[in-house]
Amino acid sequence: KAGVTQTPRYLIKTRGQQVTLSCSPISGHRSVSWYQQTPGQGLQFLFEYFSETQRNKGNFPGRFSGRQFSNSRSEMNVSTLELGDSALYLCASSGLAGNNEQFFGPGTRLTVL
Amino acid sequence: GENVEQHPSTLSVQEGDSAVIKCTYSDSASNYFPWYKQELGKGPQLIIDIRSNVGEKKDQRIAVTLNKTAKHFSLHITETQPEDSAVYFCAASKVNNDMRFGAGTRLTVKP
Repeated sequence: KAGVTQTPRYLIKTRGQQVTLSCSPISGHRSVSWYQQTPGQGLQFLFEYFSETQRNKGNFPGRFSGRQFSNSRSEMNVSTLELGDSALYLCASSGLAGNNEQFFGPGTRLTVL
Repeated sequence: GENVEQHPSTLSVQEGDSAVIKCTYSDSASNYFPWYKQELGKGPQLIIDIRSNVGEKKDQRIAVTLNKTAKHFSLHITETQPEDSAVYFCAASKVNNDMRFGAGTRLTVKP
């Protein structure tokens, strides 16, 4: 069974731009969660989607948004990028709504210049 | 909300020794406690998890213990090997809620 895939793996943007990251969950999984990982703040929960609906949301500004498609693939978007948005963005898939047994992808490394 | 504290932040052991990493959580409603291993350039990998109705779980050289009363849980790695070197994260979550992670422990196993 293929694991969680994320594209692109690396991205360089400048302040003020917007970015879209993509995540394909494990086949059959319907829940996708997004996390931001930075050296200073660690792993922080962004949001979770299940069956195209946002089920949970972390404490991030509205510039961070996401969506999920009918095939469970998910995208997250960050608008008006700031230097502090530089991070590793991880998505995790789960077979159940909620956060049991989450399996992570390799992440997208975003650098904002 | 949930707060997860993890200790130590770094741990260095000799190959063959045991390693123990400890976490505490604040929300007594949390009922799922996974441990992840993250190697350089990779996403976190689930290595073992425990639910609140179980006190201990073991998988070969890895074990996790949970003390619900004290709200802490620990990861035990026996007979450590150099390939165990990585950053380990604990986490806690409630059903249908976001997962809160500890700050991580960098484990180094010296050959």
